[in-house]
Amino acid sequence: DAKTTQPPSMDCAEGRAANLPCNHSTISGNEYVYWYRQIHSQGPQYIIHGLKNNETNEMASLIITEDRKSSTLILPHATLRDTAVYYCIVRVYGGATNKLIFGTGTLLAVQP
Amino acid sequence: DVKVTQSSRYLVKRTGEKVFLECVQDMDHENMFWYRQDPGLGLRLIYFSYDVKMKEKGDIPEGYSVSREKKERFSLILESASTNQTSMYLCASSFGRAGQETQYFGPGTRLLVL
Repeated sequence: DAKTTQPPSMDCAEGRAANLPCNHSTISGNEYVYWYRQIHSQGPQYIIHGLKNNETNEMASLIITEDRKSSTLILPHATLRDTAVYYCIVRVYGGATNKLIFGTGTLLAVQP
Repeated sequence: DVKVTQSSRYLVKRTGEKVFLECVQDMDHENMFWYRQDPGLGLRLIYFSYDVKMKEKGDIPEGYSVSREKKERFSLILESASTNQTSMYLCASSFGRAGQETQYFGPGTRLLVL
């Protein structure tokens, strides 16, 4: 079962920052937070991941709260091509299986 | 950039046919995975492999088999296709073990079994 909670949908104006929240209140100390997105009819695309520090790469920033119970994915300047379903996933480091458990995700609609 | 390719984007087969789905990655990744994705059920792991000639069952292996003869290639086989195997099939690959490695996905194969 997915261990994260995300809003089912969000809108964002093109050119503005998109802030996608994720609640993972039962996260353990050795679990990473991963974000993927899936554009319609394509395979999921890796975006970013982190443990407890904020992370930034060329696609996005990940802000994790100090208690690690929630996080926010930030797309700094959303474009129409960022319209997709965004999945927040927690993964155990050192676990017996490497499978990803995708929840229902957030459908981000970027509006022109 | 990591590239994971799948042999077909769309495939239509008849019930009872043997179906081969091929996946190739070009980054020398140790780990490869096959998932299927269905509306309302998310991604479900079918099989994965940590090394050449190694395979491990995932959550829903029934009706499927896999082959990993070369490091870069991981094949999913439907021995006798059935209509309930109509789905989107996703291949992924990753480097390293257990939890922190990032899985990279192919574009998916949408299989329709008639």
